[in-house]
Amino acid sequence: DAGVTQSPTHLIKTRGQQVTLRCSPKSGHDTVSWYQQALGQGPQFIFQYYEEEERQRGNFPDRFSGHQFPNYSSELNVNALLLGDSALYLCASSRAGTGNYEQYFGPGTRLTVT
Amino acid sequence: KQEVTQIPAALSVPEGENLVLNCSFTDSAIYNLQWFRQDPGKGLTSLLLIQSSQREQTSGRLNASLDKSSGRSTLYIAASQPGDSATYLCAVELYGGATNKLIFGTGTLLAVQP
Repeated sequence: DAGVTQSPTHLIKTRGQQVTLRCSPKSGHDTVSWYQQALGQGPQFIFQYYEEEERQRGNFPDRFSGHQFPNYSSELNVNALLLGDSALYLCASSRAGTGNYEQYFGPGTRLTVT
Repeated sequence: KQEVTQIPAALSVPEGENLVLNCSFTDSAIYNLQWFRQDPGKGLTSLLLIQSSQREQTSGRLNASLDKSSGRSTLYIAASQPGDSATYLCAVELYGGATNKLIFGTGTLLAVQP
């Protein structure tokens, strides 16, 4: 049973560029959340997708956008990259409606903006 | 606004010691609390999830307790081993709503010396 997978593992981009990160949820899960983790900090909630719609958004600018596909996989897009966007981006999946909202995290994508 | 604090920020112990990690949160209206382990540069591994109606959960050498009224949780690690060295994060899920967003603490960096 595959867990949460993310791609790519590492990414280096230049300020002003755009980036797309990808996530496949754990088998049987239908909800995907994205988190940003700066060095030495706890993860910060970006947004969550369920039934291909963004359900809730954290305190992140509109440069951060996402999408969920019919197979429940998800993409995180960041436009006009800033140096401060350098972080580990984590995807988490869970299954809605079961009463057990335990979230399972992927290995993350390390984004470096130069 | 929910805030999660973890004390201590870092801890170094000799192998074999029992230890306690602390997590406090400001809003007691939580749905559950989850403890995670994070190895350097890696994703999060779920250790224990305590639902709001529960007082504690155990898994092997790990025991987590939850006291909602005081806004506290502890993670007890028995007979620590060098392989336990990692950052330990606690996260609360806010009660109610359609989303299960997690609010994280900044973590406790644990080093177990052989």
